[in-house]
Amino acid sequence: KAGVTQTPRYLIKTRGQQVTLSCSPISGHRSVSWYQQTPGQGLQFLFEYFSETQRNKGNFPGRFSGRQFSNSRSEMNVSTLELGDSALYLCASRLPGQGLSGELFFGEGSRLTVL
Amino acid sequence: AQTVTQSQPEMSVQEAETVTLSCTYDTSENNYYLFWYKQPPSRQMILVIRQEAYKQQNATENRFSVNFQKAAKSFSLKISDSQLGDTAMYFCASDTGNQFYFGTGTSLTVIP
Repeated sequence: KAGVTQTPRYLIKTRGQQVTLSCSPISGHRSVSWYQQTPGQGLQFLFEYFSETQRNKGNFPGRFSGRQFSNSRSEMNVSTLELGDSALYLCASRLPGQGLSGELFFGEGSRLTVL
Repeated sequence: AQTVTQSQPEMSVQEAETVTLSCTYDTSENNYYLFWYKQPPSRQMILVIRQEAYKQQNATENRFSVNFQKAAKSFSLKISDSQLGDTAMYFCASDTGNQFYFGTGTSLTVIP
């Protein structure tokens, strides 16, 4: 069974540009969540999608947005990039509806560098 | 909102020794899960161990075990017989079924 796949793995952008990151969850997983990981801050929750609907959203500005497609693949977009957006962006999928035991399965991440 | 606190940014342990990573959390929920995740250098995050809050018995997974103190809202991870492959960032997390909350992580280095 294929794991969570994130593309691209690495990318470099300049301030003001926008970026789109993609995540393909494990087959059968309908919940996809996104996290921003920076040194010293740990993982900060961005948002979670389930069946194409955003279920939860973290405390990030509106420049951060996402969506989920009917095949459960998800994309997140960051517009008007700032230097502080440089981070590892992690995607995780899980099987909701199984109580609280829905373990998160993570992808390898997309490392974004903003110059 | 929940908070998860890991007060040890970095730790080291000699190979074959035992080390304990600390984690405290704050939640008003009655039912929740707690997790320890491991992120090896340049590799993806994987689950180490999980604990259901309503279970008194501490979870164990081979060399990994937890000390779950519900009243104190403490959830520490003990790694026995440390191996070089245990070198990684370790994240404590809580989940009420709605959202995961992660700590800032503890960087563990196993010294040969």
